[in-house]
Amino acid sequence: KAGVTQTPRYLIKTRGQQVTLSCSPISGHRSVSWYQQTPGQGLQFLFEYFSETQRNKGNFPGRFSGRQFSNSRSEMNVSTLELGDSALYLCASSSGGGTEAFFGQGTRLTVV
Amino acid sequence: GENVEQHPSTLSVQEGDSAVIKCTYSDSASNYFPWYKQELGKRPQLIIDIRSNVGEKKDQRIAVTLNKTAKHFSLHITETQPEDSAVYFCAASKGTSGTYKYIFGTGTRLKVLA
Repeated sequence: KAGVTQTPRYLIKTRGQQVTLSCSPISGHRSVSWYQQTPGQGLQFLFEYFSETQRNKGNFPGRFSGRQFSNSRSEMNVSTLELGDSALYLCASSSGGGTEAFFGQGTRLTVV
Repeated sequence: GENVEQHPSTLSVQEGDSAVIKCTYSDSASNYFPWYKQELGKRPQLIIDIRSNVGEKKDQRIAVTLNKTAKHFSLHITETQPEDSAVYFCAASKGTSGTYKYIFGTGTRLKVLA
């Protein structure tokens, strides 16, 4: 069974640009969550999608958005990039509430 | 709002000693508490989890305890080995109806000294 796949692995963007990250969950998993990981801040919850609907959202500005497709693949978009958006972005998929979340290897975004 | 506090942020132990990491959560509706281990440059991976209807769970050298009244749960690693060195994250979740939201602690960097 293939694991959670995130693309691309690395990105370098300029301030003010926008970026789209992709996450393909484990087959059969309908829930996909996104997290921002920075040194000292741990894993901060961005949002969670289930069956193409955003069910939960963390405390991030509206520049961070996402969506989920009918095949459960999810994308995350960040507009008007700021230097502080530099981080490792992880997605995780799960079959549902109270079950193990499997993480992808992450996309490391560097904003210069 | 929902919050999970994790302590300590760093922990150094001698090989063979025990390590304890503690977390406190704020949302009393939380019912699922996983622990993840993240080695350098790798993705977080689940090492053990516990549900709110259980007070303790053990898997070889790893155990987790839960005190729902105090909203407190802990990870215990016995007979630590160098390969236990990693960052450990606790999380609290209140999954219902097929959806969930994990709130993670800020992580504990464990160093096992040989």
